Amino acid sequence: KQEVTQIPAALSVPEGENLVLNCSFTDSAIYNLQWFRQDPGKGLTSLLLIQSSQREQTSGRLNASLDKSSGRSTLYIAASQPGDSATYLCAVRPVAAGNKLTFGGGTRVLVKP
Amino acid sequence: SAVISQKPSRDICQRGTSLTIQCQVDSQVTMMFWYRQQPGQSLTLIATANQGSEATYESGFVIDKFPISRPNLTFSTLTVSNMSPEDSSIYLCSVGVGGTDTQYFGPGTRLTVL
Repeated sequence: KQEVTQIPAALSVPEGENLVLNCSFTDSAIYNLQWFRQDPGKGLTSLLLIQSSQREQTSGRLNASLDKSSGRSTLYIAASQPGDSATYLCAVRPVAAGNKLTFGGGTRVLVKP
Repeated sequence: SAVISQKPSRDICQRGTSLTIQCQVDSQVTMMFWYRQQPGQSLTLIATANQGSEATYESGFVIDKFPISRPNLTFSTLTVSNMSPEDSSIYLCSVGVGGTDTQYFGPGTRLTVL
């Protein structure tokens, strides 16, 4: 059974510092991995999707890497801003599970002005 | 991409009652997914709703408690039946779109059961 872990569970950084969020998964047989942002009490916003054949994806200040063989992904957010404060969730789409996603527990980020 | 709306956005309900949550997508999709997010927790898949067939429920979730309708390719409902305080959660629907099957989520329905 696929398990997804995100460490740390919470992170606090001063504005301007780069953020590094980690996601690990136990089964490398995945179609893709997706990073989401969730603001308190709200739905999920898709940030980046990395296909299993890709090693990274970039969008603006965000960069996500994928090392499928070791079961790891990292989300980098450059030059953090207070508006980046949110919970970040990673989710994998296991090959064995069709279209279902398996989510990590999330990392709650606070960027202090 | 996909634009997903949910109704209601939030509700406060009494124990023993039922609530039906609606999910509307701006494009036709084969599968719609319903998730639950309990306070302070991550997302757990409740069921997959296919148009024209019965929903497929995940372990720990049953149709009597969470009946789902999928009348067409852009709409689905989830009912939370005979509610208890343990059902207090955010309920989210999602769809996969495009060749990469990127998952998009609705804004969620925040349910509080007293």
